[in-house]
Amino acid sequence: NAGVTQTPKFRILKIGQSMTLQCAQDMNHNYMYWYRQDPGMGLKLIYYSVGAGITDKGEVPNGYNVSRSTTEDFPLRLELAAPSQTSVYFCASSPSYKPRSSGTFTYGYTFGSGTRLTVV
Amino acid sequence: DAKTTQPPSMDCAEGRAANLPCNHSTISGNEYVYWYRQIHSQGPQYIIHGLKNNETNEMASLIITEDRKSSTLILPHATLRDTAVYYCIVRSFTGGGNKLTFGTGTQLKVEL
Repeated sequence: NAGVTQTPKFRILKIGQSMTLQCAQDMNHNYMYWYRQDPGMGLKLIYYSVGAGITDKGEVPNGYNVSRSTTEDFPLRLELAAPSQTSVYFCASSPSYKPRSSGTFTYGYTFGSGTRLTVV
Repeated sequence: DAKTTQPPSMDCAEGRAANLPCNHSTISGNEYVYWYRQIHSQGPQYIIHGLKNNETNEMASLIITEDRKSSTLILPHATLRDTAVYYCIVRSFTGGGNKLTFGTGTQLKVEL
């Protein structure tokens, strides 16, 4: 059980290049997310998905695209890399909302280890 | 989702309890309090969450005030490995893919 796997761990891109950040989870989670984290800042949501074939924008979607063809995979695409996209990118997954009889919810996010991207 | 306020940094001696406060004065009745931490540059790690009752698990305890406008995360016996940024997040489950909104958190430094 690997959890959430992100590849690559590091990448340097030139301005205008494209790349895809890969994210895969083996926990059968319905929900998946992409966040970016700039130095000294909290995480900002880029895109998220509530299931295969369904994606939606988060707080900072400009310059990115996503797709969700399977439950397991949620790749993030950068089409024309810009220096402002230099950041650490985290993928995460979570089970869908499921209440317990006690009224509390037992899930939390599982995060990947991140991809450190530099655009020069 | 309600906004949270946390001190930017705190220090704690190893072996002592670390008490991390969080204000969420605009929290509504259906919003939960979640705590995550991020060690160095790793992905954030779930710690604990609660609605209105105090909660305890193997990692920490969560104390929520009766009016729910603030909470405290307690690490009972802090170790050097607990040095991390701790995020307090408030959110509801009324839809929207269970998104979490992260602030800038509290940098906890545990020292000898």
